[in-house]
Amino acid sequence: EAQVTQNPRYLITVTGKKLTVTCSQNMNHEYMSWYRQDPGLGLRQIYYSMNVEVTDKGDVPEGYKVSRKEKRNFPLILESPSPNQTSLYFCASSSDRGYGYTFGSGTRLTVV
Amino acid sequence: QKEVEQNSGPLSVPEGAIASLNCTYSDRGSQSFFWYRQYSGKSPELIMFIYSNGDKEDGRFTAQLNKASQYVSLLIRDSQPSDSATYLCAVRVNDMRFGAGTRLTVKP
Repeated sequence: EAQVTQNPRYLITVTGKKLTVTCSQNMNHEYMSWYRQDPGLGLRQIYYSMNVEVTDKGDVPEGYKVSRKEKRNFPLILESPSPNQTSLYFCASSSDRGYGYTFGSGTRLTVV
Repeated sequence: QKEVEQNSGPLSVPEGAIASLNCTYSDRGSQSFFWYRQYSGKSPELIMFIYSNGDKEDGRFTAQLNKASQYVSLLIRDSQPSDSATYLCAVRVNDMRFGAGTRLTVKP
């Protein structure tokens, strides 16, 4: 089944403890992206990647890191999480910039 | 000015009516336009895309694009309670930007 897989689905962590949210797609897509979704603010892009080793900042990149070492994987790293990073995170992929994104199931992160 | 703007709603329509959702965008270089549906607690699901001026129909859904006015709309005919969700407008230049979404409620 063609899909974007994120893990974990739920995560509660403490301020300052490094964490990684994994994202993997099995559709051989070139484009991958991370969004966060907060009430009233909609989906805001954190980082996106056009291909292996090619990434660019979105609207809200501060406090996040990404890497794209393999085409299928695009992990999101929070080096020192803070409570304002509590949010619902989505990973997404698409084959071309003319196509829509397919979204993963989401990761609900709480930083206390 | 936000890149993609939508009325947040909520928009309430009776079952069987036409629901009309609107979106404006600021970047004239935008090339691809999308509508996503998102049920509460779920991930966004692509329901329509449109690239050229005019209308595009798919079942009960019609997407309309007017590049001169920088306007995109989604019409849902014969609305059903199962259409109750938040509808997200998205626009793609280099990458995809979303509006904040319009919450639609279809009342039986």
